[in-house]
Amino acid sequence: NAGVTQTPKFRVLKTGQSMTLLCAQDMNHEYMYWYRQDPGMGLRLIHYSVGEGTTAKGEVPDGYNVSRLKKQNFLLGLESAAPSQTSVYFCASSPQGVEQYFGPGTRLTVT
Amino acid sequence: DQQVKQNSPSLSVQEGRISILNCDYTNSMFDYFLWYKKYPAEGPTFLISISSIKDKNEDGRFTVFLNKSAKHLSLHIVPSQPGDSAVYFCAASAEGTYKYIFGTGTRLKVLA
Repeated sequence: NAGVTQTPKFRVLKTGQSMTLLCAQDMNHEYMYWYRQDPGMGLRLIHYSVGEGTTAKGEVPDGYNVSRLKKQNFLLGLESAAPSQTSVYFCASSPQGVEQYFGPGTRLTVT
Repeated sequence: DQQVKQNSPSLSVQEGRISILNCDYTNSMFDYFLWYKKYPAEGPTFLISISSIKDKNEDGRFTVFLNKSAKHLSLHIVPSQPGDSAVYFCAASAEGTYKYIFGTGTRLKVLA
C-alpha cells in the first residue's frame, strides 16, 4: 500500500514550457486535491475532484489544468510555465472529503 | 484576505511542557476544522479534527478546542516531545464544500 505518490519529485522548467504532474493513490479514495505551498503562504488549493471524471477550481486555479480520467489518478498540467509557478506542489486524497492524505510533494522551479 | 490565520510563525517549548498552537478564522460558514503536522521534505499528515457541534476533541496527547463565538481554535500538545517539532497547519471547511482553507502554519520546536 503506497498511499499517495507524486511524479516527478523535482523538476526545472524554462518559462513557456509545459509539463504534467502525476498523482496516484491506491486507497480507492473519491476525493483528490492539488495544492501549492509557497513560503509564508501555507497551502493553497489549486483544483480538486470529488470523483472520477469531475474537477473543480480551488483558490488559485489560473495557469493550471487538471484531469481525473481514472479514480486513482489526478493530473495537474501547466501549459505555459511562469516563474510565479515556482513552488512545492502537494497532492492529497480523501475518502469522504474530510481528512486528507498527502503525497510527498513535487518541487518545481521555473527559470 | 486570509480567512484562516495562524499569527504565530514559530513557538519554542521545553520537553514535557504544554504546547499551545492557535488559529483564528473569519468565515462564519466554516464548520469543520483540522490540524496537520508537517516535517521538512514530507507531505502534511492529519493529526486531529473537530466539528462545530463540539468544543473539544481529544486524541492521546493532542486536544483541539473550538470557540465558535471568538472564531478561534487551539491545539494543545501535552506533554510535548522533541519528535513533535514540526510545522503545524490548521485548516477549515464549510459544510458541503469538500475543500479546505489552510493557515500559514506555526513552526514548533520542542527543546530537549
